[in-house]
Amino acid sequence: GAVVSQHPSRVICKSGTSVKIECRSLDFQATTMFWYRQFPKQSLMLMATSNEGSKATYEQGVEKDKFLINHASLTLSTLTVTSAHPEDSSFYICSTLGLSVSDTQYFGPGTRLTVL
Amino acid sequence: GQQVMQIPQYQHVQEGEDFTTYCNSSTTLSNIQWYKQRPGGHPVFLIQLVKSGEVKKQKRLTFQFGEAKKNSSLHITATQTTDVGTYFCAGRMNTGFQKLVFGTGTRLLVSP
Repeated sequence: GAVVSQHPSRVICKSGTSVKIECRSLDFQATTMFWYRQFPKQSLMLMATSNEGSKATYEQGVEKDKFLINHASLTLSTLTVTSAHPEDSSFYICSTLGLSVSDTQYFGPGTRLTVL
Repeated sequence: GQQVMQIPQYQHVQEGEDFTTYCNSSTTLSNIQWYKQRPGGHPVFLIQLVKSGEVKKQKRLTFQFGEAKKNSSLHITATQTTDVGTYFCAGRMNTGFQKLVFGTGTRLLVSP
């Protein structure tokens, strides 16, 4: 299956700083990428959908100015958590989708963000 | 918005017992996928079901997709301690970017 990488795998930052998380599709071109957030012992919640070269579509309740998504190429999408606060501490997971509706969705290993 | 619910939230079984988790969507789905997540890990893809009424098997795991394409189930026969984890269904929506909405998950604990 497809390989998706995320960097960093773990980050600890101070409140008020910004954190960038990279998601890379290593062996195929990902026209669509999804960003999920998972709080402890909860399900994955879709934050936004990004398509290469266009603006991301955010889910209801997700602040687009706080969670900046850039999908500049078919292999790279970035999520920047701006002015992070302790409540933003979570597990952030990206996922890629190919060209067909029947394509399997592949998930990155996730990034554990802790905001002090 | 679209909702995908799973029951039960949690189940603790003895090794060798069977286990079933049920998944229900508020809307009709294009397809449904199942994932397993171990503590501290990321979701790992298990299977995808596309056709109405489809049944697929993977060794001790049996997956079903309902006739109306709104519900699904995962059944594990004779559980093993290695089956421990949280099982999520995820429904592909018939909208826009075909987004995948995850179910609430069922946490399975298996005692030896």
